[in-house]
Amino acid sequence: DQQVKQNSPSLSVQEGRISILNCDYTNSMFDYFLWYKKYPAEGPTFLISISSIKDKNEDGRFTVFLNKSAKHLSLHIVPSQPGDSAVYFCAASARSQGNLIFGKGTKLSVKP
Amino acid sequence: EPEVTQTPSHQVTQMGQEVILRCVPISNHLYFYWYRQILGQKVEFLVSFYNNEISEKSEIFDDQFSVERPDGSNFTLKIRSTKLEDSAMYFCASSGYRDPTFGSGTRLTVV
Repeated sequence: DQQVKQNSPSLSVQEGRISILNCDYTNSMFDYFLWYKKYPAEGPTFLISISSIKDKNEDGRFTVFLNKSAKHLSLHIVPSQPGDSAVYFCAASARSQGNLIFGKGTKLSVKP
Repeated sequence: EPEVTQTPSHQVTQMGQEVILRCVPISNHLYFYWYRQILGQKVEFLVSFYNNEISEKSEIFDDQFSVERPDGSNFTLKIRSTKLEDSAMYFCASSGYRDPTFGSGTRLTVV
């Protein structure tokens, strides 16, 4: 039962271009969404979050968009840098302190 | 920047043995979590802990698992009798108001 789905296991982007990572969810009770970045042999690192009362949140090169009617969110990274190469996990919870349900991750490769 | 610290980084144990994974959460955080990631699979929630008791747990967190905050700073996960399928990366996390911070994980290998 995949409540949070990241359908693209990998994405390759040229340095300087936009990276768009997608995430879909099925549970309409989810009201808080997060993106984490993970390097090999490290724990997930928090990137950006969005509450369901918003449809966009921006932090520097990272922007998260939320489309509640489509149960879809996306992470935009612009411009992409080689150091952004990592696995990106989408996560959701039914309240801000609820347990996180993670997607399977998308491996982003940014090529110089 | 404050960190969540996990020890050991790698633990090898024989099937049937007990293991204790240790975590030092960020000092002013109130919520504590354990997650695990089996190789090639997604990060899965195990348990959350607040106000000195379990607040939520998943189906994975059965009677073989227990958590404890023995001294106000450490947060431990105990697996009583390990099975081969317990081999995974175990991540501790802590949060204040929101947005959990994760540790670097303990790789548990059960042989």
